This record gives sequence, structure tokens and C-alpha cells, in this order.
Amino acid sequence: DGGITQSPKYLFRKEGQNVTLSCEQNLNHDAMYWYRQDPGQGLRLIYYSQIVNDFQKGDIAEGYSVSREKKESFPLTVTSAQKNPTAFYLCASKIQGAGETQYFGPGTRLLVL
Amino acid sequence: KNEVEQSPQNLTAQEGEFITINCSYSVGISALHWLQQHPGGGIVSLFMLSSGKKKHGRLIATINIQEKHSSLHITASHPRDSAVYICAVRVNTGNQFYFGTGTSLTVIP
Repeated sequence: DGGITQSPKYLFRKEGQNVTLSCEQNLNHDAMYWYRQDPGQGLRLIYYSQIVNDFQKGDIAEGYSVSREKKESFPLTVTSAQKNPTAFYLCASKIQGAGETQYFGPGTRLLVL
Repeated sequence: KNEVEQSPQNLTAQEGEFITINCSYSVGISALHWLQQHPGGGIVSLFMLSSGKKKHGRLIATINIQEKHSSLHITASHPRDSAVYICAVRVNTGNQFYFGTGTSLTVIP
């Protein structure tokens, strides 16, 4: 089955620790996105990538880093510089081009201990 | 400043009722999406609109480009429709989406 997978479903981070969230898609989509969802707020864009080896900052990129070495994979690292990392993180992908629908992964919930 | 505003924030309905969720946006868009998020967190796309009206089963979505407004209607609502409904717009100047805060719908049997 084609789709987007995110792992792990739940992740715990200690103070000062970097953690990496996985996002993999087998839809052959060019564009991939990372969003953060907080209670009472809409999804906010962290980073997006339109092509392999290229990515752009979104509205809240500070304290996060990404890589896009393969078309299928777009991992997100939450660094110790992100002071409020507790949130629900959603990865999405879409075919390149105007108006195409985004497909979302199941999400990873990150909690700080 | 929110580029996308949704109303109501929360909605409780009796099974069988007709439901309307509204979305207003302030930016130029190439498309508007209605998304459904279930309690587990996963999001699925319901509709993508750039003009007019679309229907899928008991769901109807409309958009008025001049007024920058869209509505999602659910006819004969059912408890399984209980979810958060999110309006998202794709801006016409780039590859980004902006999202509303969502409308939490609970349908009571």
C-alpha cells in the first residue's frame, strides 16, 4: 500500500537532547512538509522540501533541522535549541504542482521529560 | 494575524442534523482544502476546491472566491462524523499552506 509513515508514534525527550522524527513516503511525491500542531492553533509549517537535497524554512524553523538525501525520506531533528518542543508533529507530501492534495502521515507526539 | 479563520470552534449536534462549518481567508489562494482529523491525530483530505461546489456522499463543500469564504456542510450527521475539521489554503505565491485552527464536531446519538 502507498502512503506516508512516521515513527515513532510517541517520543520522549530529555532536556538538552536532540531527537529525530522519521518520515517516509512511497508515493513518489516530490514535495514533503513538516508541521507542528499545538492545542488551539492551526498547523504551522516548520520546513518543506520540493526536491532532493533542497529544503526551505517555514514559519517556525528555529530549533529544528531537516535533511532530504532521498526522495522518500524527510527526517526532522528537534534540537536542544527548541525550547518548547512538546507538540504533535505531522509530516505530509504532495505531487509537485499547483493545487495538488497533501497526504498526511499519522503523526508523532513528542513529550519533554 | 491568522490567514485562515474558522467558525465555530466547537460544535455539538444531534444525530441527523444538518451541519455547517465556515472558513474565511485573507490571502490570495490557488486552492482551498477541507481536512478531517480523527482523535488519533491522523489527517485525511476531504475536498480540494478552487471554485464552485463539490459533493461527496453526505459532505458538500462550497467556495466563494470573491468573498474569500468557504463552507463545509454535512447532511444527516452521524456519530462517526465526530472529528476536527480543518480548513487549509494553498497560497498562490508559493508552495505553502495555511491552516485554520479547526472545528471540533461532536455528533450525539
